[in-house]
Amino acid sequence: DAKTTQPPSMDCAEGRAANLPCNHSTISGNEYVYWYRQIHSQGPQYIIHGLKNNETNEMASLIITEDRKSSTLILPHATLRDTAVYYCIVRVSTPRRAGNMLTFGGGTRLMVKP
Amino acid sequence: NAGVTQTPKFQVLKTGQSMTLQCAQDMNHNSMYWYRQDPGMGLRLIYYSASEGTTDKGEVPNGYNVSRLNKREFSLRLESAAPSQTSVYFCASSDNRGSLRAEAFFGQGTRLTVV
Repeated sequence: DAKTTQPPSMDCAEGRAANLPCNHSTISGNEYVYWYRQIHSQGPQYIIHGLKNNETNEMASLIITEDRKSSTLILPHATLRDTAVYYCIVRVSTPRRAGNMLTFGGGTRLMVKP
Repeated sequence: NAGVTQTPKFQVLKTGQSMTLQCAQDMNHNSMYWYRQDPGMGLRLIYYSASEGTTDKGEVPNGYNVSRLNKREFSLRLESAAPSQTSVYFCASSDNRGSLRAEAFFGQGTRLTVV
């Protein structure tokens, strides 16, 4: 699986958009970009994933550059409850790949401030 | 719908003691995983089970054994606990049988201290 690089920490004002970058310059054509977050040592929580098109769900938007070497997770209106560690993970998502396990890096610690 | 349930939530062991961490999921997922997370670090995969009846080593399997008891349950055993195994242990499950989403669901963790 491709390695990812994220800034170790970021701050964001409450109510503003939080933009979390991720570099994955060695990503392969069949590798997806996944985002998870971990709030205060709870179990990680799935946020969103994408292959090459931008994606949006009720939690966030995922913007993937055209060359797929980087992506940005956008929380449109950050709240205090969005304070967490955000993990960007790149992996193949095929049904027959044994396990489809996730490889976690250090993530970005997002602090949302009042 | 409980999702992924881990027991116990907290445990203190003495060096050399053994114990089994239990994990059960009620989402009919075929794949299950055990991770550990040390303070300030990301999660590292210990063992996984791609489907019922199979288990494979992950990144840090030494000192651990696993059993996929049935489709619902995946246990992690420490035969002789060491202080280096003090960590938070997370169990996860996912359905990889054709869903492109294939998101993983995590339990709330077991906080283990070995003294």
